[in-house]
Amino acid sequence: GAVVSQHPSWVICKSGTSVKIECRSLDFQATTMFWYRQFPKQSLMLMATSNEGSKATYEQGVEKDKFLINHASLTLSTLTVTSAHPEDSSFYICSALTGFVHNEQFFGPGTRLTVL
Amino acid sequence: ELKVEQNPLFLSMQEGKNYTIYCNYSTTSDRLYWYRQDPGKSLESLFVLLSNGAVKQEGRLMASLDTKARLSTLHITAAVHDLSATYFCAVDSSGSARQLTFGSGTQLTVLP
Repeated sequence: GAVVSQHPSWVICKSGTSVKIECRSLDFQATTMFWYRQFPKQSLMLMATSNEGSKATYEQGVEKDKFLINHASLTLSTLTVTSAHPEDSSFYICSALTGFVHNEQFFGPGTRLTVL
Repeated sequence: ELKVEQNPLFLSMQEGKNYTIYCNYSTTSDRLYWYRQDPGKSLESLFVLLSNGAVKQEGRLMASLDTKARLSTLHITAAVHDLSATYFCAVDSSGSARQLTFGSGTQLTVLP
């Protein structure tokens, strides 16, 4: 149980375009999901907390108008990188809070974004 | 602000040897997680430590948590090549897994 999927696995886009990444909890309902960004050889940095049916909470320094998050259902959160630039190239990982016995975040497989 | 420090950052060891990775954190928390990440992949949950004195073991890995010392350790016994990966600890400052702060990671290479 507790499987989280992401789509796409990798994407290459031109500078100035927008890219949408999907995060799905496959076998459980997740009222809360998280979006992280990981640059090469670095740790995970939390970008935002996505709550079903309400606005996302962004971490300090993360532009909410650039990284649009929508959590319209209990199994799906989306991250849209708007007007992407090369510096947005990164590995984006989502996680979902299970709400099981001791609560735990389960991580998706990640999406590699390359902006040319 | 919660700070989580892992050391070492890089570790190269021979197969068959033992070693310990340390994770220190700066504020009170009694929930800590250990993850493994292979190159180009996402995180795989290894251990969930939920109380002071918690010790968990899986195969050649054993994790422990000392909340008073604000320290967790990941001990590797008789390392094998398959353990080569990056290991992260993450401290939960919310008490409900809603706020994880990750350490910088330890890149482990096990040499034949």
